[in-house]
Amino acid sequence: DIVLTQSPDTLSLSPGERATLSCRASQTVSTNYLAWYQQMAGQAPRLLLSGASRRAPGIPDRFSGSGSGTDFTLTISRLEPEDFAVYYCQQYGSSPITFGPGTRLDIK
Amino acid sequence: VELQESGPGLVKPSETLSLTCNVSGGSVFTSNYFWSIIRQPPGKGLEWIGYIYYSGSTEYNPSLESRVTISFDTSKNQFSLKLTSVTAADTAVYYCARGVVTMIRGTTWFDTWGQGTLVTVSS
Repeated sequence: DIVLTQSPDTLSLSPGERATLSCRASQTVSTNYLAWYQQMAGQAPRLLLSGASRRAPGIPDRFSGSGSGTDFTLTISRLEPEDFAVYYCQQYGSSPITFGPGTRLDIK
Repeated sequence: VELQESGPGLVKPSETLSLTCNVSGGSVFTSNYFWSIIRQPPGKGLEWIGYIYYSGSTEYNPSLESRVTISFDTSKNQFSLKLTSVTAADTAVYYCARGVVTMIRGTTWFDTWGQGTLVTVSS
């Protein structure tokens, strides 16, 4: 199974700042089949990006994704108050599908 | 499309957990999607359980495969999970989700999620 590691565990930033979240895979993720999700407290996850960098419909362009192989990054260019949540990466390049443990983005 | 979970809330250890996912706004009998179940223990991360395709074929997480069955209710636009021999470790919020068909067998990403339902395993 591909193990995903996310860093940092917690990121404390202020609104308006830039956030950079990392997702590292234990093996190459085939075809850059990596997705990112946002989960607000008490809610279901919401798809942000698929294919490492393709924004889902309705996702603001301040969210962007990059990376390939084993190293992927989610960047939020200017944090809005509603962006403070937990973020998960998920690989679908090989079965079984696996998720990372999440990065919590807190208000500083 | 919207997904809505319905579950028992509380299940006793060693019994079978049954969960139903109702799909509205679209048919489950489409070749474009997998109908999936994912769970999240309280305060923890996400774990994919499995999915069913419109043809009835299924794919399960190997860590749970011996205890899991996902099936369609053919008279309704629903799919269901049965998880046998549950223990406290199966306590989680269970989500129904729609997965998009990819080029790689057995894999998908999830573009639509239900709100989730908490199932607690306790005597």
